Amino acid sequence: DSGVTQTPKHLITATGQRVTLRCSPRSGDLSVYWYQQSLDQGLQFLIQYYNGEERAKGNILERFSAQQFPDLHSELNLSSLELGDSALYFCASSVGQGVDNTEAFFGQGTRLTVV
Amino acid sequence: GQNIDQPTEMTATEGAIVQINCTYQTSGFNGLFWYQQHAGEAPTFLSYNVLDGLEEKGRFSSFLSRSKGYSYLLLKELQMKDSASYLCAVKAAGNKLTFGGGTRVLVKP
Repeated sequence: DSGVTQTPKHLITATGQRVTLRCSPRSGDLSVYWYQQSLDQGLQFLIQYYNGEERAKGNILERFSAQQFPDLHSELNLSSLELGDSALYFCASSVGQGVDNTEAFFGQGTRLTVV
Repeated sequence: GQNIDQPTEMTATEGAIVQINCTYQTSGFNGLFWYQQHAGEAPTFLSYNVLDGLEEKGRFSSFLSRSKGYSYLLLKELQMKDSASYLCAVKAAGNKLTFGGGTRVLVKP
């Protein structure tokens, strides 16, 4: 158990809908990272928050947004869902801002299926 | 941009050694990580290199050459449970941890 909690574990929804994925980082970690992993694809970095502020942005679609709350949990919002958004969405957390050797600990992921 | 290359798949025999290579071209360099990921599960941290040389951790070792943009992960005394994907990830400028596509290792009896 990495200490990073993601809910829900599985989500099935229809095209055009909107969903919210939730992540609670390890106790004491200030950074939260979101990744998307499609079938047979590598982990694609979406976005990072550090202590409530956006720190880095990857290939995140405009239909997707995220935030980190004062209690440091984070939510990833996916809207106008398309079939191609079906993927595993991982959240990771680390202590620092990410520029040092701090390893990132990954949650178990949310498997999103868009039908 | 960032470019990280590793082989797609490797097969090895139980008890043998396998070396997974990773080459990278990134804007800035703040360290290279190796993660193990079993199918459908979360990646788990294996090793971190920021200086040139070899880091050994039990059956797993990782090597880095910054001048060549090259790393490898060495798995010794392979066990069936080592069948997994191995992800090379580079922390470049801007705090982003960028992953390669992963190398699927299949360990056969």
